[in-house]
Amino acid sequence: GAVVSQHPSWVICKSGTSVKIECRSLDFQATTMFWYRQFPKQSLMLMATSNEGSKATYEQGVEKDKFLINHASLTLSTLTVTSAHPEDSSFYICSVPTGSISAFFGQGTRLTVV
Amino acid sequence: AQSVTQLDSQVPVFEEAPVELRCNYSSSVSVYLFWYVQYPNQGLQLLLKYLSGSTLVKGINGFEAEFNKSQTSFHLRKPSVHISDTAEYFCAVSDFGGSNYKLTFGKGTLLTVNP
Repeated sequence: GAVVSQHPSWVICKSGTSVKIECRSLDFQATTMFWYRQFPKQSLMLMATSNEGSKATYEQGVEKDKFLINHASLTLSTLTVTSAHPEDSSFYICSVPTGSISAFFGQGTRLTVV
Repeated sequence: AQSVTQLDSQVPVFEEAPVELRCNYSSSVSVYLFWYVQYPNQGLQLLLKYLSGSTLVKGINGFEAEFNKSQTSFHLRKPSVHISDTAEYFCAVSDFGGSNYKLTFGKGTLLTVNP
């Protein structure tokens, strides 16, 4: 069964609205989770590191005020895309690192902003 | 800084043929190496990983990869592919720093298995 659950799997929203994506670790307590973004036919780019109990760490070029990350508990991290625009349309994937130097990935969220 | 180069963006093969997906990396430090598979509109699934020890690593679904330090390569192979192997394959590296490591991905190789 799934180790990491991401919800929703797809969402369509209007330009200017906000969208929240949830990432739940089902089998692990995760003090850290990672959020990636994937454009069509391209690789995954790390957006930010979500830290339980503290602020997220954002990669260079990622707007922290636009992509709000909240690591509410050891099993839940949320990514909120605020004031979404069509260029924010993408595939967003979270991952949970494991103790065996690996990571489990969520099934991804396809965001379409119209 | 690390980088990963997947030399082929697309690899078409016929069913039951062998396949090799190429991956080269660069890093100033020692790294861990991974191959992930992504089916359409899904997340990533780990195929195999190299941490240390034997340079030939066997993974799920009959895939294997060989770590070559001198050539900084980690090519993925399967002796006989199936239609169900059609997917995007990503090579990734991670350095040894800390317990919460980050993955750097290549751009992916789309493997298409034709009947």
